[in-house]
Amino acid sequence: GAVVSQHPSWVICKSGTSVKIECRSLDFQATTMFWYRQFPKQSLMLMATSNEGSKATYEQGVEKDKFLINHASLTLSTLTVTSAHPEDSSFYICSARYLQNYGYTFGSGTRLTVV
Amino acid sequence: AQRVTQPEKLLSVFKGAPVELKCNYSYSGSPELFWYVQYSRQRLQLLLRHISRESIKGFTADLNKGETSFHLKKPFAQEEDSAMYYCALSPSYNTDKLIFGTGTRLQVFP
Repeated sequence: GAVVSQHPSWVICKSGTSVKIECRSLDFQATTMFWYRQFPKQSLMLMATSNEGSKATYEQGVEKDKFLINHASLTLSTLTVTSAHPEDSSFYICSARYLQNYGYTFGSGTRLTVV
Repeated sequence: AQRVTQPEKLLSVFKGAPVELKCNYSYSGSPELFWYVQYSRQRLQLLLRHISRESIKGFTADLNKGETSFHLKKPFAQEEDSAMYYCALSPSYNTDKLIFGTGTRLQVFP
């Protein structure tokens, strides 16, 4: 149990376009989901906390207008990278806290390449 | 500020050797600490949590508040233990937030 599905697994887009990444909890309801960014050979950095039915909470230094987060249901959160630039190229990972084992379950990640 | 430090980027051992992956944290309160593992081409998954005091796949980790450490140990490494290991901290004031260390790649040679 406690599976988070993330889609797409990889995407290539042109500079200036927007990309949407979906994160779904398949067998549990997640009132809170998390979006991380991981640069090559570096750790996961929390970008924002996505709250169902309310505004996301962004970490310091993360542009909320650039990384739009929507959490419209208890099983779906989306991250939209708007007006993407090459420096936005990274590995984006979502996660949700699964209460029964007090751990976080992670999506498989999305590799974004902006050309 | 909260911080998790994993001083080793790479740890290489032979099968059957003991393993210790170091993790130190900086936090003034009482954190919740985790070890996560990422096998090749797989998603990040929980290995163990300090509060549960359990042993998973032969790994154990003890929270040492005096040394602010949470080192991961296994007495006899197996080849299938080769993976990326991340230590993570959840601040007590916000149990939804996870702060990750930079990770240690464990290579177990036959």
